[in-house]
Amino acid sequence: AQSVTQLGSHVSVSEGALVLLRCNYSSSVPPYLFWYVQYPNQGLQLLLKYTTGATLVKGINGFEAEFKKSETSFHLTKPSAHMSDAAEYFCAVTKTSGSRLTFGEGTQLTVNP
Amino acid sequence: DVKVTQSSRYLVKRTGEKVFLECVQDMDHENMFWYRQDPGLGLRLIYFSYDVKMKEKGDIPEGYSVSREKKERFSLILESASTNQTSMYLCAIRDRVAEQYFGPGTRLTVT
Repeated sequence: AQSVTQLGSHVSVSEGALVLLRCNYSSSVPPYLFWYVQYPNQGLQLLLKYTTGATLVKGINGFEAEFKKSETSFHLTKPSAHMSDAAEYFCAVTKTSGSRLTFGEGTQLTVNP
Repeated sequence: DVKVTQSSRYLVKRTGEKVFLECVQDMDHENMFWYRQDPGLGLRLIYFSYDVKMKEKGDIPEGYSVSREKKERFSLILESASTNQTSMYLCAIRDRVAEQYFGPGTRLTVT
């Protein structure tokens, strides 16, 4: 079975500071990994995904994540936080393109002026 | 762009009522999913469907059923709504490389 752990249900940063949201997964086979963002009262939107190839993945809105197999991690980063980044972020894993997604519990990001 | 629509954004129902939540996609994808989202629990899979009239239970199917009579439409049914089913319900579809596209969600309150 796969699982996803997001460290920190709430993260608070200042505007302009580095954003780091942590995600660790467990999977018995090479995974596909995703980060989604959810703004208030909306559905989830894909930020970025890792399937194969380059382990550093760039997504929308300046976010990127690095797949580290040895650490079973897929942490999300952004060099400089913007007020509009305040939202809830979900990490998700699946085994293959034919499998269902397993989501982490989510991390609420607050950006302070 | 992929479009996933859900029949209602907000819904208030009474305990014991039968509730229908509908999800419609415009991209002819086989795989559709229903999740519920609760604070601190993330998204939990209720049911999914990989083709017309085909369905599989997810992690929390108790108290729910589903219907998929046409490829573009996937319905979630609460046979007898209870207060512990108050939640945000999200529908999603999946493309060929496992990316899921979500609808805007239905916030259901059962009183």
